[in-house]
This record gives sequence, structure tokens and C-alpha cells, in this order.
Amino acid sequence: DTGVSQDPRHKITKRGQNVTFRCDPISEHNRLYWYRQTLGQGPEFLTYFQNEAQLEKSRLLSDRFSAERPKGSFSTLEIQRTEQGDSAMYLCASSLERRVSYTFGSGTRLTVV
Amino acid sequence: AQSVTQPDIHITVSEGASLELRCNYSYGATPYLFWYVQSPGQGLQLLLKYFSGDTLVQGIKGFEAEFKRSQSSFNLRKPSVHWSDAAEYFCAVGADNDMRFGAGTRLTVKP
Repeated sequence: DTGVSQDPRHKITKRGQNVTFRCDPISEHNRLYWYRQTLGQGPEFLTYFQNEAQLEKSRLLSDRFSAERPKGSFSTLEIQRTEQGDSAMYLCASSLERRVSYTFGSGTRLTVV
Repeated sequence: AQSVTQPDIHITVSEGASLELRCNYSYGATPYLFWYVQSPGQGLQLLLKYFSGDTLVQGIKGFEAEFKRSQSSFNLRKPSVHWSDAAEYFCAVGADNDMRFGAGTRLTVKP
């Protein structure tokens, strides 16, 4: 297993466009998390899944954001009508069972112009 | 609510010198504590973690951290810094269904 994979690594989009990111977790990990990291800050929790169920969403996750994990394996994070404030690094992580230690992917850096 | 404070935004040390990065947390019970490292444009790599037991924990790359309950601290140390240690370091506190990160400390290593 090669760890947590995220695609794409970089995305530049025009304001108002929709974007979708993909995360492939470690195969035996049943928990998957999305975080957002802006410049000079630590990662901030967005949402997490246990298997295919989305169990928690942060208030940071506005109505323009949606995440899915349809078969309990890979996950997608979609941002509709992107805004400049959405520019950030989007990190995916996975773990087994409780949130005791995560494995992070390399992230997707989004730039909204 | 749990929170993490990393008081130092940026630290510069000379190669071969010792290093201590500070982390203070706020949590109602004994938390799980972590240190992660992030190189530019990369994801986070786990350096070490504390769950319970011995308050001095060893991690990868020669790092260690000490949990001090009385001070609500979990400082990261390394006796001799290498140029490749230059990166951003994040302290995190976690419990089931929640993990919070500090704002990070950027480490610069002088030759």
C-alpha cells in the first residue's frame, strides 16, 4: 500500500467554477477525514467519514462544499461556485477506528483566481 | 473546547544545535497528543504521539517529546538539528471524533 493519495496535486480555477478533489485512503482504514489548511495556519477539520457514512461536518463546510465516500473507499470533495477565500491546501487523512493517529496525503493545493 | 497553542511562529537554529519547540494545550481530560512535520507543499508526517504511560516519547528522525500534565505542555526536542529538519512543525491534540492543530512553528536551520 502506498499511503493516502490525493488528486490533483494542484488546481487553478477561475472564481465561480466548480472543482472536485479525490482522496484514496489506505485500503484497510475505515475512517477518512478532510482538512483545509490556509497559509500560515494549521489544518482545520472539515468533515469525516466512517466507511460510507459522513458522521461529522464542521461549520467551515458551507453549503457550497460537499463530500462523498460512496463505497467506503475513495472520497471526493466538491466545491461549487468557488471563491477566492477557498484558496487553500486541502488535506485528506485516513485512520483505523478511533482518531488516534492519522496518515495524511500530500494534499491538493487550490488557487482560485 | 480543546485547543493548541504554539507560541513560536518562527525559530532559527544553527545546524548541530539543540532544538525545543513549544506546545501548550487545553483539554478537559488526558488527551492524545501528536507532533507532525510538514515540508513545503507536502502533507503532514507523524513524528510521534502520546497516548498514555511514559511521559517521554521517542519519535522518528531523532525527535522526542515530553508530556507535562502540570504545565499542559508537550514540547518537542531534538539534541542536534540537521539541515534537513527545516520545515513546519505542528502540534495537535486529539480525542475521539476531534483533532485540533496548532498554527505551527516554522523551523529554519542555519549552516
